[in-house]
Parts: sequence; C-alpha cells; structure tokens
Amino acid sequence: AQSVAQPEDQVNVAEGNPLTVKCTYSVSGNPYLFWYVQYPNRGLQFLLKYITGDNLVKGSYGFEAEFNKSQTSFHLKKPSALVSDSALYFCAVSHRGGSSNTGKLIFGQGTTLQVKP
Amino acid sequence: NAGVMQNPRHLVRRRGQEARLRCSPMKGHSHVYWYRQLPEEGLKFMVYLQKENIIDESGMPKERFSAEFPKEGPSILRIQQVVRGDSAAYFCASSPGGDNSPLHFGNGTRLTVT
Repeated sequence: AQSVAQPEDQVNVAEGNPLTVKCTYSVSGNPYLFWYVQYPNRGLQFLLKYITGDNLVKGSYGFEAEFNKSQTSFHLKKPSALVSDSALYFCAVSHRGGSSNTGKLIFGQGTTLQVKP
Repeated sequence: NAGVMQNPRHLVRRRGQEARLRCSPMKGHSHVYWYRQLPEEGLKFMVYLQKENIIDESGMPKERFSAEFPKEGPSILRIQQVVRGDSAAYFCASSPGGDNSPLHFGNGTRLTVT
C-alpha cells in the first residue's frame, strides 16, 4: 500500500535553533513530493515541492527540504526557527503525470511544530 | 486575486439531513479537488473534477456522497442523510492543471452532525 509517514506527532524547538520535520514515503515509481503548512482553522498552504533535479529544494518562509531517494525521505528543514513557524505541517506525495491524477495527494498524518521563545 | 472560497465555514446538521458544501476555485483554475480531514488525521482525497466532469472519484464513499462542478457556479459536495461519522473538515483545492501544479486550498467547511 502506498503511504506517507511522519513519525513525530510533535516537534519542539527553541526560537533561533534549526528545525527538522521528518517524512518518509512508500510509493511506487518516482513521485512528486510536497510540504504544506496548516494554521489553526485554515486551509493548507503550499511550502515547497520536489519534482526533479537538485535534491535540496528551497521554498517559502525560509524552509527547505532534502530529497533522499535511497532512504525514501523528504525531511523539511529550516536553519533558524521562528515562533511564527508554529503550526501543523503535512508531507504529501502524488504520482507523476500521464494518466495519473497528480492532484490526488497522499498526506502524512501531520506534525505539530512548536517553537518556544 | 481571491483564493479558493468555501462556504459555509461551519455547518451543523442533524442526523438524516442533507449537507451541501460549496467551493469556488481560484480565478483561472479549472481543476477542483475535495479532501476530508477527520479529527487527528491527515487529509484524504475524495474526488477530482473539471468543469462538468468527474475525473476521479476513487476516494468518495459509495453511498450518500456526490460532487459536481457545473459549467456555471461553484463546485458542490453533497452529503445525503448525514451520520455522526461524517463530522469532519472538508477542504476544497484548485489548480490550473498541469502535471505538478501545487494545489491551492480553501479554509474548509467544518461539518458537525448532531
């Protein structure tokens, strides 16, 4: 079965410290990979995506993610966390195009990031 | 440029009633997706529509749920004879199409079935 795993329900970091939110996937082929952020009572906001090319992808608000094919991982990182980064983060994958529905995302369970001042 | 608009934001229905959720995609977007988020869970794909066509409904429950995206007007997700287990946040997303276009999500409709 195809799946996305975010092994940590919550990640706590101090403001100014680096942060990592983990994601691994089990999907056939070479999927597209995404990170989204959700603030309370809001929809998801797109942060970044990996399609092809450089394994380090840079996105919005200073976030970046590293694609590791051998480990089937796509961890989200930020060098210096802000209190305003506190939110719920979702990793997602979709199949590549052709006849596939590339908007059909498989989401992880989400990881709550708590940044303390 | 307005984002994806969903209404209502909150909807309360008694068991057995019908729920109608509306979604207007971003301007210029012709692809609409519906997702459901149950408490403490990630989002689950329900259905993918383009104007007047259902493209992929593999995530829709077999009964009571239907979706449409007419030529004019918003996309509608309809749940007939709601049950308590239908209580969830329902998110609509849109994209302009293309192989890897990121989805733009609305703020969701929170359905509570009493």
